[in-house]
Formats: sequence, C-alpha cells, structure tokens
Amino acid sequence: EAGVTQFPSHSVIEKGQTVTLRCDPISGHDNLYWYRRVMGKEIKFLLHFVKESKQDESGMPNNRFLAERTGGTYSTLKVQPAELEDSGVYFCASSRPMGARTDTQYFGPGTRLTVL
Amino acid sequence: QKEVEQNSGPLSVPEGAIASLNCTYSDRGSQSFFWYRQYSGKSPELIMSIYSNGDKEDGRFTAQLNKASQYVSLLIRDSQPSDSATYLCAVRRWNTGNQFYFGTGTSLTVIP
Repeated sequence: EAGVTQFPSHSVIEKGQTVTLRCDPISGHDNLYWYRRVMGKEIKFLLHFVKESKQDESGMPNNRFLAERTGGTYSTLKVQPAELEDSGVYFCASSRPMGARTDTQYFGPGTRLTVL
Repeated sequence: QKEVEQNSGPLSVPEGAIASLNCTYSDRGSQSFFWYRQYSGKSPELIMSIYSNGDKEDGRFTAQLNKASQYVSLLIRDSQPSDSATYLCAVRRWNTGNQFYFGTGTSLTVIP
C-alpha cells in the first residue's frame, strides 16, 4: 500500500508569489488533513477534509490560504500571496473513515516552503 | 499553556539501554494518544497509539498512559542506534474533532 505522497518536496518562492502544494492520500482514506510546522514550533493543524467536504478549517491562518479536494481524492493547498511567515513544513495526513477516537493518521513527508 | 508539552532534549542513551520519553497534556478531556517517530526529512511514522489508562506493549516499545496525571510516556527497551530520531507526542481531544495536537518532539540519540 502506497503511503501519503506530497509534491513538491521543497519550494522556494519570493514574497508575494503564489505556491500550490499537492497531497495524495492513501487510497481509500476519506479523511485528509493539512498541518504546518514552523521552525522551532510544534506541528499545528490547518484543516480537515472528509471526502471533498471541509469538515474543520479552524486552523487556517487567514484567507491567503485556500485548500481544495475536488472529487475527494488528492488535495491542494494554495498560498496566495505568500508572506515570509508562511515558511515552514506543510504536512498532509490521511486516515480511514473510522470512529474519531481510534482514528489513526498517516503522514506524508511534507513540503518545505521557504518564502524569501 | 501549550496543549502538549515534551522535553525537547536531546536525550542520549547508550545502545541496549531503556530510553524514556515523556509527554504531558493540558486538556483533561483528551481521549486518544499517539507516539510518532520522525527521521530527519522523513514522514512522521506511527509507533504506538493508546486510549486507556495503563501500559500497552508492542515489541520493544511500551506506551504508558495516566489520565489522572495527564501524562503519557514511551519506553524503548534495548535501544538501538536506528532508534535515533525525533519522537512526537500527539493528542486528540474529545471536543475538537479529529485534529491532533502535537508536542515539539524529543530528539533521541542512541550511542553505539
């Protein structure tokens, strides 16, 4: 079974540019999550999809971030326009449609975003 | 107050020793607890999950949960150099959906 994959692995852009990150979850996983780790800080939740619907987007920092999951398969996270504080590692995770208590999330390798 | 606290380390143990990693959490209503291992530049990899008070063993790993003390730990027996990594504690609360709250991680080095 293939794991969660993310593309690109690294992205370096200038302030004001747009970047789109992609996540392919494990096949059959309805739940898809985006997290972010800023240097020196803990991994923090951004949002949660169930299939194509946004279940919880309480962690999205502002309206410069747009996440989509058309068709309920892969997801994209667009940052437009990027700011310096958006730099960090963006992780995607997925899980089966299990009960919340036992939901185990499997993580991708992350996309390291650097905004100059 | 942080949701999840871990000692960032680094923690160094000799090969063959027991490594003890600790994590405390602030929300008494937290219901699910996970330990992930992350090698540099790689995906966080699930090591253990625990939901009830007490110990849960899986091979060389034992997770311990004490909800009264809001404390979860991971013991690694017979530590190997390949165990050298950052260990992340993650917690799910009862009232905030499926999101995980993470600690900053503890860096473990096993010295041959």
